[in-house]
Amino acid sequence: AQTVTQSQPEMSVQEAETVTLSCTYDTSESDYYLFWYKQPPSRQMILVIRQEAYKQQNATENRFSVNFQKAAKSFSLKISDSQLGDAAMYFCAYYDDYGGSQGNLIFGKGTKLSVKP
Amino acid sequence: DAGVTQSPTHLIKTRGQHVTLRCSPISGHKSVSWYQQVLGQGPQFIFQYYEKEERGRGNFPDRFSARQFPNYSSELNVNALLLGDSALYLCASAFPGAGLAEAFFGQGTRLTVV
Repeated sequence: AQTVTQSQPEMSVQEAETVTLSCTYDTSESDYYLFWYKQPPSRQMILVIRQEAYKQQNATENRFSVNFQKAAKSFSLKISDSQLGDAAMYFCAYYDDYGGSQGNLIFGKGTKLSVKP
Repeated sequence: DAGVTQSPTHLIKTRGQHVTLRCSPISGHKSVSWYQQVLGQGPQFIFQYYEKEERGRGNFPDRFSARQFPNYSSELNVNALLLGDSALYLCASAFPGAGLAEAFFGQGTRLTVV
């Protein structure tokens, strides 16, 4: 079965600095999607960035970028120029179309990110 | 356009009672999924419905059931509530054919069972 592991329960970063959140996953599929979601205290799960496994190029969305290492099954999120509004829970998630995840997202346990002014 | 809307926002129920949670997907979305998020954990998949048919079910007891209506809105029902059912229940919708490759979440319903 597919699994997603986030080994950092909590992380802290100084405002304007860079932080990297780690995620590893396990799958036997070759084609899948990986996501980072942000969940602020408002509770709504917000998509930060998405990576298709068949794409070698790492996804980037403004200050957010990923380091996707398919062979190592690693998918880390880098947040540059951290802002106070980045403080939230961050979840790594996996999805494939082949029924391995029953067609739905498999989430890690999350990393709580604090941003210090 | 309105996002995914869930109701109610908060709910307090007593053990043994029944609860119904509601979700309206984004206009044009035909897939709705339900997740349970226990405090301090990531969301766990409960059900997926697509075109009013159940397409997937997670490892939850039969006390949990759901359905999708012709307008693609959905209900999650939980019978014989247990204290352990206390959680945030999230609904997600997706474009037809997109699977869950791009899912949009609602703000959730916070269920407390006392």
